[in-house]
Amino acid sequence: NAGVTQTPKFRVLKTGQSMTLLCAQDMNHEYMYWYRQDPGMGLRLIHYSVGEGTTAKGEVPDGYNVSRLKKQNFLLGLESAAPSQTSVYFCASQGQGGGRSYGYTFGSGTRLTVV
Amino acid sequence: AQSVTQLGSHVSVSEGALVLLRCNYSSSVPPYLFWYVQYPNQGLQLLLKYTSAATLVKGINGFEAEFKKSETSFHLTKPSAHMSDAAEYFCAVTKAAGNKLTFGGGTRVLVKP
Repeated sequence: NAGVTQTPKFRVLKTGQSMTLLCAQDMNHEYMYWYRQDPGMGLRLIHYSVGEGTTAKGEVPDGYNVSRLKKQNFLLGLESAAPSQTSVYFCASQGQGGGRSYGYTFGSGTRLTVV
Repeated sequence: AQSVTQLGSHVSVSEGALVLLRCNYSSSVPPYLFWYVQYPNQGLQLLLKYTSAATLVKGINGFEAEFKKSETSFHLTKPSAHMSDAAEYFCAVTKAAGNKLTFGGGTRVLVKP
């Protein structure tokens, strides 16, 4: 099925470890986003990309890096994990056409625990 | 800057009763508006969207929402709640095609038998 695939689905890290979350979409969407979801705080934008080779900071970018080397993939990296980064991470992609916004297609999420 | 306010972080309804979830937005230009639903341990799914066509928008699973410019609102309703409607619902706004969405804080719906 077409859509957005996130890997891994679950991960436990120790403080200070690094990891990369992968987001892949097969809808030829230009825009891709990384959000984190925490209880009582809704969705907060970490980083986003408006096309291959471009990235930009969202509202909570500290402690994260991203790369968009291929149009279909958007990687989120944690260089030195901290307990405050325990969260559920969602990737989303966005398509456009005819000047109308088509909203987001979300992945199923990655549940990350940092101990 | 645009923003979204969802009134009530938790809503409890009886099965068969009306579901009403409130969303108010602020935007300097006519907005695009969305409702998403998140079932437990899943990602967000699009319920419906307003993109400057009809002000009453029908979505999946019997939900609908009405865009009221004078009230800057986009409330979500369903005439008769079902147990399967228990989920968290998010309202979102963007000001232009291709712009990133701004999400409300979410409303968790509990359906009582």
